[in-house]
Amino acid sequence: DTGVSQNPRHKITKRGQNVTFRCDPISEHNRLYWYRQTLGQGPEFLTYFQNEAQLEKSRLLSDRFSAERPKGSFSTLEIQRTEQGDSAMYLCASSLVLGRTDTQYFGPGTRLTVL
Amino acid sequence: GENVEQHPSTLSVQEGDSAVIKCTYSDSASNYFPWYKQELGKGPQLIIDIRSNVGEKKDQRIAVTLNKTAKHFSLHITETQPEDSAVYFCAASQAAGNKLTFGGGTRVLVKP
Repeated sequence: DTGVSQNPRHKITKRGQNVTFRCDPISEHNRLYWYRQTLGQGPEFLTYFQNEAQLEKSRLLSDRFSAERPKGSFSTLEIQRTEQGDSAMYLCASSLVLGRTDTQYFGPGTRLTVL
Repeated sequence: GENVEQHPSTLSVQEGDSAVIKCTYSDSASNYFPWYKQELGKGPQLIIDIRSNVGEKKDQRIAVTLNKTAKHFSLHITETQPEDSAVYFCAASQAAGNKLTFGGGTRVLVKP
């Protein structure tokens, strides 16, 4: 399967701990997006990259959140000093922005539970 | 910023009947409108999308219509089957490839 992959699939942590998630996009996709989805809601945009450049960050992305895409391939999302309100599904998507072929393909998500 | 409203939040239909989900958006600059299906424990999967230069698009049992003047778009599923049961999300963006703003979702249950 050459779709978007995310690791880990589930993460349980204690309040105050740091966590890091990884996303591997579809090969050669130049855009990579992070969204957050809470139970019963639609995904909310957090940030996106074009190659290694972070082009936009949402107001939802507090200073405890940082995302990187160092070589324009995989990306990591780190949450420092986790809070219970950070509990959510973190979704990654990728797209190839080339002409009009620009569909965002989502991974399975990482479910974070902060105790 | 963009705001997308989706209705209904839940929809129960008999197998073989049609299902219709409606969305409205606020930003007149939005011009790309995808629909995603999300099954339990999985990420959203694109099922159909439409751009602002098109009023309607069909793909087998699925169709989407767009009314740019009224700023609303709809998903139509005909001849529903039990495997159509899932949560469906509409979304909008100012250009394909840009960030998506999602509606709140519609949980569709197809009863056999």
